Amino acid sequence: GIQVEQSPPDLILQEGANSTLRCNFSDSVNNLQWFHQNPWGQLINLFYIPSGTKQNGRLSATTVATERYSLLYISSSQTTDSGVYFCAVEGRRRGSTLGRLYFGRGTQLTVWP
Amino acid sequence: DGGITQSPKYLFRKEGQNVTLSCEQNLNHDAMYWYRQDPGQGLRLIYYSQIVNDFQKGDIAEGYSVSREKKESFPLTVTSAQKNPTAFYLCASTLGTRSTDTQYFGPGTRLTVL
Repeated sequence: GIQVEQSPPDLILQEGANSTLRCNFSDSVNNLQWFHQNPWGQLINLFYIPSGTKQNGRLSATTVATERYSLLYISSSQTTDSGVYFCAVEGRRRGSTLGRLYFGRGTQLTVWP
Repeated sequence: DGGITQSPKYLFRKEGQNVTLSCEQNLNHDAMYWYRQDPGQGLRLIYYSQIVNDFQKGDIAEGYSVSREKKESFPLTVTSAQKNPTAFYLCASTLGTRSTDTQYFGPGTRLTVL
């Protein structure tokens, strides 16, 4: 399957700071999604972004498919942004299973007041 | 409210026992998935089902079994053959299997083997 690497593994910020999370993937993709897992374990989809740029409030994401990476930007971070951010991809090559996502190990974000 | 429910939230099991984790969705989604998450790790796919009465093994299916008799239900059985079952288990679903379909997750079940 596709390899997904996320960096940094851990990030500690003061409230109000900005941050950039990175996701590198090893092959062409049909689908790339960013998720946030809160401290209680619930995962919420943030973006579907196989290419291009999207914004949703203080969060934005950019995927450069030709260079096989995606970035998640968090501006003016808040304590409620704490948790783990996962990148997940679906392969494009023939033989890839539609709908099957491969997850990275995540970035653990802690925002202090 | 539409969504995915998992039960129980916490589960304790003695070694050698089988245990079944429930996953129900009322989103009318065709596809359902089971993932395992260990501390500091990403999600690993155990089994998935794209349609009723059909399911496929994921990357770590050994020691697990599933059924998909109804569209809304996808229970996971952790058998005694699973060597290290203590983990956080997440169920997810998608409308279909198109690349544009986003995955929706349940709240998870934390399984601890005593």
